Amino acid sequence: NAGVMQNPRHLVRRRGQEARLRCSPMKGHSHVYWYRQLPEEGLKFMVYLQKENIIDESGMPKERFSAEFPKEGPSILRIQQVVRGDSAAYFCASSPPIRGALKNEQFFGPGTRLTVL
Amino acid sequence: TQLLEQSPQFLSIQEGENLTVYCNSSSVFSSLQWYRQEPGEGPVLLVTVVTGGEVKKLKRLTFQFGDARKDSSLHITAAQPGDTGLYLCAGDEAGTALIFGKGTTLSVSS
Repeated sequence: NAGVMQNPRHLVRRRGQEARLRCSPMKGHSHVYWYRQLPEEGLKFMVYLQKENIIDESGMPKERFSAEFPKEGPSILRIQQVVRGDSAAYFCASSPPIRGALKNEQFFGPGTRLTVL
Repeated sequence: TQLLEQSPQFLSIQEGENLTVYCNSSSVFSSLQWYRQEPGEGPVLLVTVVTGGEVKKLKRLTFQFGDARKDSSLHITAAQPGDTGLYLCAGDEAGTALIFGKGTTLSVSS
């Protein structure tokens, strides 16, 4: 199974702690995207990365949130000093390095449900 | 910022009925994707439409992209309980972020 992997599936943190969410893209994919889904809201884009580069972080809060996609290993979304409002489902998606004209197909992982107590 | 409006928000029907879900925007997208999401899981890609006026069929599901590439529809024929889920449309914004609608929650009862 070469699907997008995310771990942990569920994460509980107390206010002020750090949360680290991991994403391994599909085999052969070099583009990674992070989205956040809040209750009663749609998926919202946070950040787009390629290996070792952040391409677009326009949807990511300026403070406490950071993302990386190192040369080796999974992509990491890190949230420092979590607050209750960070409780949400965080999804990672990946897409292949070469995409057909006008296509941007993204394949999603199962998500990490973050609960901040 | 481009917005995608989906309607209806909720739909509850009996097995065997037909239904159509709509996805509308005032902006043009280079492509549009439909996903289905079940509780506790990530969205699963159903189809991508690229060309204005394009129609794609996936078994009992028919997807159409509007001529102006601003809207799309999903039609399900003879719905089954297994079709129950959240249907999301997502527009491609410049090849990076996908813009998602809030989704249509479909419930099919037997």
